[in-house]
Amino acid sequence: AQTIHQWPVAEIKAVGSPLSLGCTIKGKSSPNLYWYWQATGGTLQQLFYSITVGQVESVVQLNLSASRPKDDQFILSTEKLLLSHSGFYLCAWSLRDSGNTLYFGEGSRLIVV
Amino acid sequence: QQKVQQSPESLSVPEGGMASFNCTSSDRNFQYFWWYRQHSGEGPKALMSIFSDGDKKEGRFTAHLNKASLHVSLHIRDSQPSDSALYFCAASSYQGGRALIFGTGTTVSVSP
Repeated sequence: AQTIHQWPVAEIKAVGSPLSLGCTIKGKSSPNLYWYWQATGGTLQQLFYSITVGQVESVVQLNLSASRPKDDQFILSTEKLLLSHSGFYLCAWSLRDSGNTLYFGEGSRLIVV
Repeated sequence: QQKVQQSPESLSVPEGGMASFNCTSSDRNFQYFWWYRQHSGEGPKALMSIFSDGDKKEGRFTAHLNKASLHVSLHIRDSQPSDSALYFCAASSYQGGRALIFGTGTTVSVSP
């Protein structure tokens, strides 16, 4: 069975500090991977997607970056947090090139103060 | 402007009742639709996909798609308190997830 794990579960960080959020997918080789951002009660905004190791496409510019160092790992980061980065970050995977229902992790809650 | 609009923003239904809500796309290229459900503090989970005109039923959930009007709806029969959640419609111009656009969301509250 496939599992998706996000870390950390929650963070409180200061404006201007760095951030790293992680996501690991087990039980599925070569998945498509995605990062989404969600304001409280709001819609889901796709940030990045990756179809293979080392290849990441940016969907929106929010002073964030993403990397895929391994087939099963997706990292979201920034060197300097802004207040507007607060929210709920969700990692998701889908099968490559078929069906493509998204399977989400449990999310990482970020509060920037 | 949001390409995928949902209505209503929120609704309340009694336990055992029918919950119905809607999704409309402003982009005629969107031909593939999904419904997702998100409980508070959790990640969204896919309920069902619908790609063809007409009805698709999965258990207590029925989706209806009208491609001509770019309208899709979801109906929950025999609503349970566990159905209380934020529901998202998602649309894409192809079956891939890279271009999946999520709607504005409908909050459903089911009261015992």
